[in-house]
Amino acid sequence: ETGVTQTPRHLVMGMTNKKSLKCEQHLGHNAMYWYKQSAKKPLELMFVYNFKEQTENNSVPSRFSPECPNSSHLFLHLHTLQPEDSALYLCASSQEATAAGNTGELFFGEGSRLTVL
Amino acid sequence: DAKTTQPNSMESNEEEPVHLPCNHSTISGTDYIHWYRQLPSQGPEYVIHGLTSNVNNRMASLAIAEDRKSSTLILHRATLRDAAVYYCILSSGGGADGLTFGKGTHLIIQP
Repeated sequence: ETGVTQTPRHLVMGMTNKKSLKCEQHLGHNAMYWYKQSAKKPLELMFVYNFKEQTENNSVPSRFSPECPNSSHLFLHLHTLQPEDSALYLCASSQEATAAGNTGELFFGEGSRLTVL
Repeated sequence: DAKTTQPNSMESNEEEPVHLPCNHSTISGTDYIHWYRQLPSQGPEYVIHGLTSNVNNRMASLAIAEDRKSSTLILHRATLRDAAVYYCILSSGGGADGLTFGKGTHLIIQP
């Protein structure tokens, strides 16, 4: 148990569906992240939220739409996805790294396995 | 972020020490060295991190070369549960920028 909970754990959707992935952290962190892990590829950082504000969007297609209503919750809204979007989507949180030595260790959830048909 | 180089895979025997190398010749003076591991069907988990000095914790030890251009993660007594992909990552710290993961080293533990 890492303190980061992702739901659903598994999702199968058609290309015309709209679905959402949810992430909740119980660690009091102020930064949250979405990563994508495709088969045989490294983890790819998709979005970063810091104090509910999006601070990074790594050229992610608009069919992925993140939402961060508060520091504890992060959503990834999915619509008109393609089969190549099938992957493990991982959420992580961290305390903002500071000059005092906290390096912002990431705590990951177990991921949501997405299959697009 | 500066790049790291790790072997694609390594194999070790159970109950023996494991030394996982990482090269980072372009590391900058403010880059921290982080190690994470990802067990099958799980998200990555933090293992250890360091800046200049060697570090020990309950999971592993981190040995950092004097010129900081390489480091070694040491598992003192590997178990089957240590079979995972191990990632060596550099970050400059500060802010909340996330970490950039490479392909890592797939560690296989033989019973």
